[in-house]
Amino acid sequence: EVHLLESGGGLVQPGGSLRLSCAASGFSFNIYAMSWVRQAPGKGLEWVSEIHGSGTIYYADSVKGRFTISRDNSKNTVYLQMNSLRAEDTAVYYCAKNIAVAAWDVWGQGTTVTVSS
Amino acid sequence: DIQMTQSPSTLSASVGDTVTITCRASQSISSWLAWYQQKPGKAPKFLIYDASSLESGVPSRFSGSGSGTEFTLTISSLQPDDFATYYCQQYNSYSPTFGQGTKVEIK
Repeated sequence: EVHLLESGGGLVQPGGSLRLSCAASGFSFNIYAMSWVRQAPGKGLEWVSEIHGSGTIYYADSVKGRFTISRDNSKNTVYLQMNSLRAEDTAVYYCAKNIAVAAWDVWGQGTTVTVSS
Repeated sequence: DIQMTQSPSTLSASVGDTVTITCRASQSISSWLAWYQQKPGKAPKFLIYDASSLESGVPSRFSGSGSGTEFTLTISSLQPDDFATYYCQQYNSYSPTFGQGTKVEIK
């Protein structure tokens, strides 16, 4: 069974940093692109970043220069390093497996990031 | 960025009804459209891709249609498990965007 498990969320002050992890299982991780999608409280879904098996990376303009996505194929894990966090980054962050470029067939349960002083 | 606009924002319906949600793109996205279902406190669930292809395991009462800029999600014979929020999402460009969501609630 395909499974994604996020971790690393928490409460952080504005300007702080946090690293999210997403452990994948049940599929050939190295050949699939992986993404992060977030959802602010009571709001809709927002794509954050995507990394291909080849290493090609894309970011939303709202996080470019502050967030870094990476992957470790030996650990079947994708990461999201978040720096210079702002209140507007407060959201549930979902890890998702790509079925195609920028479309996702499997999602994790999400991890909550709260940016507040 | 391509803007996605869903209508209505909220839809009240009864079990057994057929409901239709519309999604419009600000420019042509060919058939690069997906639909997701989300229930409170849960992750989105993938329903449809390429505008009309049903994901494996999704009940056949869900169907999608459209191309270019106008798309629809139809749920035939609404079931209790279908009351949720539905999102369309375009993947025509490397800046994927979602509609604002349509909440299907019990009348």
